[in-house]
Amino acid sequence: KNQVEQSPQSLIILEGKNCTLQCNYTVSPFSNLRWYKQDTGRGPVSLTIMTFSENTKSNGRYTATLDADTKQSSLHITASQLSDSASYICVVSAPNNNDMRFGAGTRLTVKP
Amino acid sequence: KAGVTQTPRYLIKTRGQQVTLSCSPISGHRSVSWYQQTPGQGLQFLFEYFSETQRNKGNFPGRFSGRQFSNSRSEMNVSTLELGDSALYLCASSWGFQGNEQFFGPGTRLTVL
Repeated sequence: KNQVEQSPQSLIILEGKNCTLQCNYTVSPFSNLRWYKQDTGRGPVSLTIMTFSENTKSNGRYTATLDADTKQSSLHITASQLSDSASYICVVSAPNNNDMRFGAGTRLTVKP
Repeated sequence: KAGVTQTPRYLIKTRGQQVTLSCSPISGHRSVSWYQQTPGQGLQFLFEYFSETQRNKGNFPGRFSGRQFSNSRSEMNVSTLELGDSALYLCASSWGFQGNEQFFGPGTRLTVL
């Protein structure tokens, strides 16, 4: 059973709208949680990294939140652009830094 | 600073053949990790090398192997290819261990016929 579950699997929104992607994990104990953006046919690019003590981190129009108590994270995208169309992957690491668990990703499509 | 580079970008092989993929990390990075990505399974960790030593290994058969050279460049080898090995193989480098921020290369798209 995957220890990192992402929802929704796919999402279609109109350009300019906001959206929120979810990541629930059962990895415990946990060291850090990352969000990656992956364009089709390309390697993932890091958006945010949060340790267990951080609640929120922003990177431009991307804002990630983390609730370590409920083991939930979200990625909020503001004022979406066509270039935001990509897969967004949540990755959770265990404290020994040798165990990374990947979510299956959310496929976001932004339409004009 | 140049990013992570992977060669070749695309590869077509037939069942039973073997393949070697190459990864050059960002200058100064000592850790290189390899991942397999397929539509059905998503990203799966293959192995990590740090200072020429394999530090961690994922749950893949022995047909998958790798090595790292003294300049931190890494190669991954897959022997006796199977149709199910068709995937995007990604390499990621980081300064320290796998848990540090990783920077991914563009990947090698392997198709097994």
